Amino acid sequence: KNEVEQSPQNLTAQEGEFITINCSYSVGISALHWLQQHPGGGIVSLFMLSSGKKKHGRLIATINIQEKHSSLHITASHPRDSAVYICAPNTGNQFYFGTGTSLTVIP
Amino acid sequence: NAGVTQTPKFRILKIGQSMTLQCAQDMNHNYMYWYRQDPGMGLKLIYYSVGAGITDKGEVPNGYNVSRSTTEDFPLRLELAAPSQTSVYFCASPSPSGELFFGEGSRLTVL
Repeated sequence: KNEVEQSPQNLTAQEGEFITINCSYSVGISALHWLQQHPGGGIVSLFMLSSGKKKHGRLIATINIQEKHSSLHITASHPRDSAVYICAPNTGNQFYFGTGTSLTVIP
Repeated sequence: NAGVTQTPKFRILKIGQSMTLQCAQDMNHNYMYWYRQDPGMGLKLIYYSVGAGITDKGEVPNGYNVSRSTTEDFPLRLELAAPSQTSVYFCASPSPSGELFFGEGSRLTVL
């Protein structure tokens, strides 16, 4: 049983495109995290949100608690955005992790 | 602050060997976690700790041990390495507000 489902699993985009990555979860949560992992690299936190919407530069994260769904949007995508994006809802201090969406942005 | 520091970054072990992955955080966080990441899978929780002197098993604890003698350090021990333990290991620690900090990862290969 997967508590977290991400879609798509893989995504290829042309530079400049608007990108959306979706995350659905089945557990009741206190917050949801979007993480970024570059190939062979570590994991960094992009957003932590418990309601509404957050924006950081070209990245926007939204969450609908009632529908148990979150989206990560990247505007004006760039090759340096190529990475795996991981959705991670948490209930208190227990974290759940999606399998990630592998994004490749082509120049 | 250095955040979460993990060592080593890479290690190759022979079957049956033992080793310890080190994890340290300088943020005075209570919670610390060890995860493994296998291709195509989400992060799996190995062990976690809610504070110095307290540890508990996660989803995939077999073949591993941990200790938490101080708030800062949370080492992960592999006693008898097996090929199934080939993976990338991440140490993580959330802040009291829930922000999640990860170490850079340790890539372990067991041959």
